[in-house]
Amino acid sequence: EAGVVQSPRYKIIEKKQPVAFWCNPISGHNTLYWYRQNLGQGPELLIRYENEEAVDDSQLPKDRFSAERLKGVDSTLKIQPAELGDSAVYLCASSSQVWGEKTEAFFGQGTRLTVV
Amino acid sequence: DAKTTQPTSMDCAEGRAANLPCNHSTISGNEYVYWYRQIHSQGPQYIIHGLKNNETNEMASLIITEDRKSSTLILPHATLRDTAVYYCIVRVVPFYFGTGTSLTVIP
Repeated sequence: EAGVVQSPRYKIIEKKQPVAFWCNPISGHNTLYWYRQNLGQGPELLIRYENEEAVDDSQLPKDRFSAERLKGVDSTLKIQPAELGDSAVYLCASSSQVWGEKTEAFFGQGTRLTVV
Repeated sequence: DAKTTQPTSMDCAEGRAANLPCNHSTISGNEYVYWYRQIHSQGPQYIIHGLKNNETNEMASLIITEDRKSSTLILPHATLRDTAVYYCIVRVVPFYFGTGTSLTVIP
């Protein structure tokens, strides 16, 4: 069975340009998470979806970041416009239930974004 | 918040047991202890989790103290492929990873 799939794997863009990341979670997983990981740091949650509903987006910088999960399956995270400080690895994860209720989350390989 | 304290880095000789400690003194009674690891340039990988009792699977063992204020992840026979950053997580809302322990397995 395929795990969490993310694309692209790497992305280099100039500042002020838009960028989008795509995530396909494990089949049947209702909960989807987007994390951002800065160099040398642990992942930090940006947004959590339960099916198609964003239930926790308190850490998402809403002035430039947006996310959607249409039909409660695939998800897209967008940054517009990108800033130099957005350079990081963007990770997607999914779980069959809310993570922490005896259920682990599975992570994708991440998208490494470099803003120049 | 139930945050964790882990040593920044550890070394372990190949073939020996790696014991990674985690302090979580503010853990709540119904919060699980999860361990993940992240090998360079990969996403975090689930290792093991537990609530009160010690747990073992094909990857590792998890020892949780009786008062649940600390735990130890044990890799019984460390290999070079176990070199990674290991995260101890006790509160998954708001999903706090911390900086983890960088384990280096030495040949």
